[in-house]
Amino acid sequence: SQQGEEDPQALSIQEGENATMNCSYKTSINNLQWYRQNSGRGLVHLILIRSNEREKHSGRLRVTLDTSKKSSSLLITASRAADTASYFCATDARQGGKLIFGQGTELSVKP
Amino acid sequence: SQTIHQWPATLVQPVGSPLSLECTVEGTSNPNLYWYRQAAGRGLQLLFYSVGIGQISSEVPQNLSASRPQDRQFILSSKKLLLSDSGFYLCAWMEAGAYEQYFGPGTRLTVT
Repeated sequence: SQQGEEDPQALSIQEGENATMNCSYKTSINNLQWYRQNSGRGLVHLILIRSNEREKHSGRLRVTLDTSKKSSSLLITASRAADTASYFCATDARQGGKLIFGQGTELSVKP
Repeated sequence: SQTIHQWPATLVQPVGSPLSLECTVEGTSNPNLYWYRQAAGRGLQLLFYSVGIGQISSEVPQNLSASRPQDRQFILSSKKLLLSDSGFYLCAWMEAGAYEQYFGPGTRLTVT
């Protein structure tokens, strides 16, 4: 069954603006991760937030986690055209090292 | 440093033909290995994963099979391809006990 669901499905912004993507999940988790996928390429790990953390930063990325609402958000500040990609959240299935990926948010940053 | 290879990068195969996609990892030992399929504009569907040589877990009953003949080699196969097997196939590895997965460049399979 689907664990992560991203919202919105697509987002188009101008360079310099902030981009916010949301992820909701259904069951309890150990951690939640965000990945980026450039068109036609493999996924790249961006950031992991543990279930006992509420916020985490990495460069221009800010991730929040609300386990009571079973939701997470990824904020990209001062976006660049190079940030154009699909972004996926992934939750651990608490077994076998498996991850469950959402459907992704397609971000387009226009120069 | 660790690297992951997948080949071929693209493949066009007729319905009913066999399939073999290969994935190898360098620079690590006894990794967990994963095969995913991604339909156009969609998320990833986990197909198989392996925690050791000869140990394969299947997530979705289908026309595909996987094997792990060596510690850092993972193969995805089919005896007879279906049109519905078309998609983008991704191999990934993860250090046992960790959470982050690292992906290969993918294989674009088109079944005609």
